[in-house]
Amino acid sequence: NAGVMQNPRHLVRRRGQEARLRCSPMKGHSHVYWYRQLPEEGLKFMVYLQKENIIDESGMPKERFSAEFPKEGPSILRIQQVVRGDSAAYFCASSKRGTRETQYFGPGTRLLVL
Amino acid sequence: DQQVKQNSPSLSVQEGRISILNCDYTNSMFDYFLWYKKYPAEGPTFLISISSIKDKNEDGRFTVFLNKSAKHLSLHIVPSQPGDSAVYFCAATRPANAGGTSYGKLTFGQGTILTVHP
Repeated sequence: NAGVMQNPRHLVRRRGQEARLRCSPMKGHSHVYWYRQLPEEGLKFMVYLQKENIIDESGMPKERFSAEFPKEGPSILRIQQVVRGDSAAYFCASSKRGTRETQYFGPGTRLLVL
Repeated sequence: DQQVKQNSPSLSVQEGRISILNCDYTNSMFDYFLWYKKYPAEGPTFLISISSIKDKNEDGRFTVFLNKSAKHLSLHIVPSQPGDSAVYFCAATRPANAGGTSYGKLTFGQGTILTVHP
């Protein structure tokens, strides 16, 4: 999982601010997945993207959350007007193809909303 | 709706003995299963996987068993080592399209904390 890069590793925001989380997939990987882990819980799927396309966003909250994976640059998970319940660890994973290939995870971004 | 369940929050094992971690699932459409290990403040690390057409897959000290009729899988670690102490997650996935050529999200269990004592 060392190949998937996420930044920042830690992010502190006050309620109502915006949070931007970045993910650079492993070299050669064009599929990106975002997961969220709330305290004392397992990882929950949020969104699956390929370059310039959202493939599956069934796990994304309907409001305030958005994700993109532009042609150039990292994938971005954006949370607008953060609330305390958004405090969690956000993990990005990547795979080479959208097959049963293993998803490799980054180290995560720990978001704390004050 | 918890489609993948790990009913044991924790497991404590002596070094050198076998660790058995269990996982149950409810969705019969799942056809590929994975185990990940996670240390604190790090991302999950892939351990081993198994397709639903198999009932066993082995990789070194790690073996995964799948019982499709019971919708149950288990991870065996033999022999257990102190460095194996971590949180273990099982995950499942299913085809995202009718042709079965595309997969997407992983559905994770809640995790089991394994502690291996020297």
